[in-house]
Amino acid sequence: SELTQDPDVSVALGQTVRITCQGDSLRSYYASWYQQKPGQAPVVVIFGKNNRPSGIPDRFSGSSSGATASLTITGTQAEDEADYYCNSRDSTATHLFGGGTKLTVL
Amino acid sequence: EVQLVQSGVEVKKAGESLRISCKVSGDSFTRSWIAWVRQMPGKGLEWMGIIYPSDSDTRYNPSFRGQVTISADRSISTAYLQWNSLKTSDTAMYYCARESSGFSPALEYWGQGTLVTVSS
Repeated sequence: SELTQDPDVSVALGQTVRITCQGDSLRSYYASWYQQKPGQAPVVVIFGKNNRPSGIPDRFSGSSSGATASLTITGTQAEDEADYYCNSRDSTATHLFGGGTKLTVL
Repeated sequence: EVQLVQSGVEVKKAGESLRISCKVSGDSFTRSWIAWVRQMPGKGLEWMGIIYPSDSDTRYNPSFRGQVTISADRSISTAYLQWNSLKTSDTAMYYCARESSGFSPALEYWGQGTLVTVSS
């Protein structure tokens, strides 16, 4: 099983961008999404149906349909430029990461 | 506040053994799964495996099974990732991460990473 992400996505400052993740495991399990900036550890931004950890701005949201999960950033800010990874976790505690999407804010 | 503090930079030679650590503080160590994640230079995140410290139940990514050993010491709230014989291809940043509880767990807390460099 694998999770597939577009390698590169760009968005104009202040606009909305959707980053997608496709994989069969997403039919059964919600994706979580991780933001990683250069030289830093990843940070979870969305998990479960559409949950944001404390401290994550509400411009980040998640959704899912069939085998596709999406991370949407509404009103993208310059500081949102980063790599984003989706992840699924099954009932046996086994995780799987997508290949990552590099988000460029223009 | 939950914190995961990893051991420091390692520079090793191929064939040597290594154990890196991840100390958890601020919450119960035994009641959450602790995962290890590899990131090779310029590449993405790879889930290596996970351990439940309460009973040391461990799961591995098939790609890493037999290549590394994940363990935990409940007495000092520390998880470990171990190699018996390093390869140059093990050069990477390694992160530990603790799962959240509840339905649909995520890797909620992360260590700062341990950089491992293996030369020939």
